[in-house]
Amino acid sequence: RKEVEQDPGPFNVPEGATVAFNCTYSNSASQSFFWYRQDCRKEPKLLMSVYSSGNEDGRFTAQLNRASQYISLLIRDSKLSDSATYLCVVNERNSGYALNFGKGTSLLVTP
Amino acid sequence: SQTIHQWPATLVQPVGSPLSLECTVEGTSNPNLYWYRQAAGRGLQLLFYSVGIGQISSEVPQNLSASRPQDRQFILSSKKLLLSDSGFYLCAWSAGTGRTEPQHFGDGTRLSIL
Repeated sequence: RKEVEQDPGPFNVPEGATVAFNCTYSNSASQSFFWYRQDCRKEPKLLMSVYSSGNEDGRFTAQLNRASQYISLLIRDSKLSDSATYLCVVNERNSGYALNFGKGTSLLVTP
Repeated sequence: SQTIHQWPATLVQPVGSPLSLECTVEGTSNPNLYWYRQAAGRGLQLLFYSVGIGQISSEVPQNLSASRPQDRQFILSSKKLLLSDSGFYLCAWSAGTGRTEPQHFGDGTRLSIL
């Protein structure tokens, strides 16, 4: 199984800060990319899909660089409620379109 | 809207006992269904996926098995649990549209083996 690599963190940032997470994937044939958020002892929840042209959803911006096989997530104006683990996710076409999850990057936003 | 139900939420089982976890999806038809396991401090590991009734693909050889007796029902089973089977088990669904869709997870089952 191809790998999805993330910096595990933890990232400790103050409220209002901007924080960026990076992710690399090894399967050049990957077609779809996502960021999920997982709170402690809870299920992962879809945060946003990542499109080739980059996309934004409120305070969250996702970027994709296919040439470098690199995905990023930028969070602006961090809130306490953003504290969670952020999972980088890439598709695996030969697994019924199942997804390959990174181990996640832990974020703690402090007052 | 679509919903996914998974039960039980928590389970404590002795080594060597059988296991049955159930997952059902509502509000959609012919979904792709998945079972994942997340061990403590580790990432999600895909165990099984299914693209249709009776169609099961296994990702990791182990003492677990899966079945899909109905379109929106996915069951994870074991005849004899091992200590290493402890973990957080997650069922997920995605639209079976033929292209990669995001997956949506149930609340998970936290399984402890004693």
